[in-house]
Amino acid sequence: EDKVVQSPLSLVVHEGDTVTLNCSYEVTNFRSLLWYKQEKKAPTFLFMLTSSGIEKKSGRLSSILDKKELSSILNITATQTGDSAIYLCAVPNSGGSNYKLTFGKGTLLTVNP
Amino acid sequence: KAGVTQTPRYLIKTRGQQVTLSCSPISGHRSVSWYQQTPGQGLQFLFEYFSETQRNKGNFPGRFSGRQFSNSRSEMNVSTLELGDSALYLCASSLMAGGEGTQYFGPGTRLTVL
Repeated sequence: EDKVVQSPLSLVVHEGDTVTLNCSYEVTNFRSLLWYKQEKKAPTFLFMLTSSGIEKKSGRLSSILDKKELSSILNITATQTGDSAIYLCAVPNSGGSNYKLTFGKGTLLTVNP
Repeated sequence: KAGVTQTPRYLIKTRGQQVTLSCSPISGHRSVSWYQQTPGQGLQFLFEYFSETQRNKGNFPGRFSGRQFSNSRSEMNVSTLELGDSALYLCASSLMAGGEGTQYFGPGTRLTVL
């Protein structure tokens, strides 16, 4: 069965700090890894990493895929209070008619002023 | 473009009752997936619908069912509610099925079973 594990489960930092969130996965026929940010209700899409796109960056957020270690990290530099959220990592299975997206339990990030 | 909408946003039911949740995908999206989110289990896949057909189903009992209409709107039904069904139910739409497109989530329906 596909498995996604995120660490740490929660993290408290001060504004301006840099944080690194981890995601490890076990899935047959790896296709991609996705990061989402969930502030109040709806998770919002951040990045998709694939074998052909192992590094993505958007402003202060960046993510790297390590296919050898079956893991990914999400970095947030110069954190702001608005970064406080649950960060979710997800991996789809083989897709097609059996498509299923498996999520980790998330990392709750709290950024204090 | 309007996002994914879900109704109702909040719902309180008692054990044994049944409930129907609704999801309207982004215009043009034909795939709708449903997820259950609880503090203990995180986000868990319920099922995916594409072109009115259920493509895949997660590990949930038969009390959980769904359907999709010709306009791509989807409903999810839970019968004989149990206390453990209390959760945030999220739906997500994408242009294509089978994980070929990015999923966009709705705000969710918070279901409380008393």
